[in-house]
Amino acid sequence: AQSVTQLDSHVSVSEGTPVLLRCNYSSSYSPSLFWYVQHPNKGLQLLLKYTSAATLVKGINGFEAEFKKSETSFHLTKPSAHMSDAAEYFCVVSSTGTASKLTFGTGTRLQVTL
Amino acid sequence: EAGVAQSPRYKIIEKRQSVAFWCNPISGHATLYWYQQILGQGPKLLIQFQNNGVVDDSQLPKDRFSAERLKGVDSTLKIQPAKLEDSAVYLCASSLWLPGEETQYFGPGTRLLVL
Repeated sequence: AQSVTQLDSHVSVSEGTPVLLRCNYSSSYSPSLFWYVQHPNKGLQLLLKYTSAATLVKGINGFEAEFKKSETSFHLTKPSAHMSDAAEYFCVVSSTGTASKLTFGTGTRLQVTL
Repeated sequence: EAGVAQSPRYKIIEKRQSVAFWCNPISGHATLYWYQQILGQGPKLLIQFQNNGVVDDSQLPKDRFSAERLKGVDSTLKIQPAKLEDSAVYLCASSLWLPGEETQYFGPGTRLLVL
């Protein structure tokens, strides 16, 4: 069984300040972990993914996430928020293998203010 | 490289009517997925195809939902008859069928409103 818990349903930051979106996972197998972003009325876009290589993963638009097995966490960070970062972010876990199944968290809405 | 295409983008129907959604995956992607995303929630897998065969349809309400992927490329998802609770965004995604290549690429979705 696998599951994801996004610890904050809503995060608000000022433009230029750091972003931290928290995610904890549970998986019976070595997981693959993803962060997807969804802008209003748009499809889901892959930000970054972890697949058992380097524990610090860099993604698009300056985002990165660190896989911490001891804490079962995969938090998403960005040093400096931009207005265009305002969106819904989903943490996702997948079982390894060819018949992988994605399990999504409930999402964190990021608000960026001036 | 073209992404996953879906149509229509929006659909409004009355309850008990039928509706169909279409998806064209990324070229070469053998695996295709349909998700349902209810407002305020994360997407939930409805059905997964490997080429034209069904891998997982355990979450598909089979009394009213059906899906097919003839010829292993395009896919259609149908709801008949629709209920109010079917109002959601229906997302299609595709991926390669390779170990370690689980990344799924999503289309823009079809937003369905059932009145």
